[in-house]
Amino acid sequence: GQSLEQPSEVTAVEGAIVQINCTYQTSGFYGLSWYQQHDGGAPTFLSYNGLDGLEETGRFSSFLSRSDSYGYLLLQELQMKDSASYFCAVSGYSTLTFGKGTMLLVSP
Amino acid sequence: DGGITQSPKYLFRKEGQNVTLSCEQNLNHDAMYWYRQDPGQGLRLIYYSQIVNDFQKGDIAEGYSVSREKKESFPLTVTSAQKNPTAFYLCASRETGGRTGELFFGEGSRLTVL
Repeated sequence: GQSLEQPSEVTAVEGAIVQINCTYQTSGFYGLSWYQQHDGGAPTFLSYNGLDGLEETGRFSSFLSRSDSYGYLLLQELQMKDSASYFCAVSGYSTLTFGKGTMLLVSP
Repeated sequence: DGGITQSPKYLFRKEGQNVTLSCEQNLNHDAMYWYRQDPGQGLRLIYYSQIVNDFQKGDIAEGYSVSREKKESFPLTVTSAQKNPTAFYLCASRETGGRTGELFFGEGSRLTVL
């Protein structure tokens, strides 16, 4: 089976940097994805790491270490609109398995 | 505009009734998925399909059924056998052979059993 662990909640202030960690146990691992979901909305894809290292997309970066079964999402220059839930997801051959999500609360 | 359309957005059902949720995509994706989300929880996989006329059970398939008669369509039926059907249901698709970690989601269907 597959399992993922991520913090349930993180708080930060506008302009700050926040890191959301994700550890996983899985078989048949192809990569780690990150999704953002605003309350009541659909999840939207943020990033994917198929190889070890850092991927950068604007204010968001994602990191993967296969040897440590660990990854993180880094959000810089936080804005109020970044308040949302963030999910890590492990890609297997056919499916994605999601973590329970981290609620990020950004305050002024 | 390409995307995934789910309907209805909100649905109320009495206990003992079956209900079918629609999912249509015009992205020309081969793979389609149904996930269930409960409050404060992650997404759990119900069923998925990699190709027309073929589908597989996910982690929580009991009480659900699907069909994949057309590439564009992957409807989910929540049967009366599902013990706790009240939830937010999300349909997604993925481009086979493409970026494996990217799913495209519909806006979801929120089912409430009265």
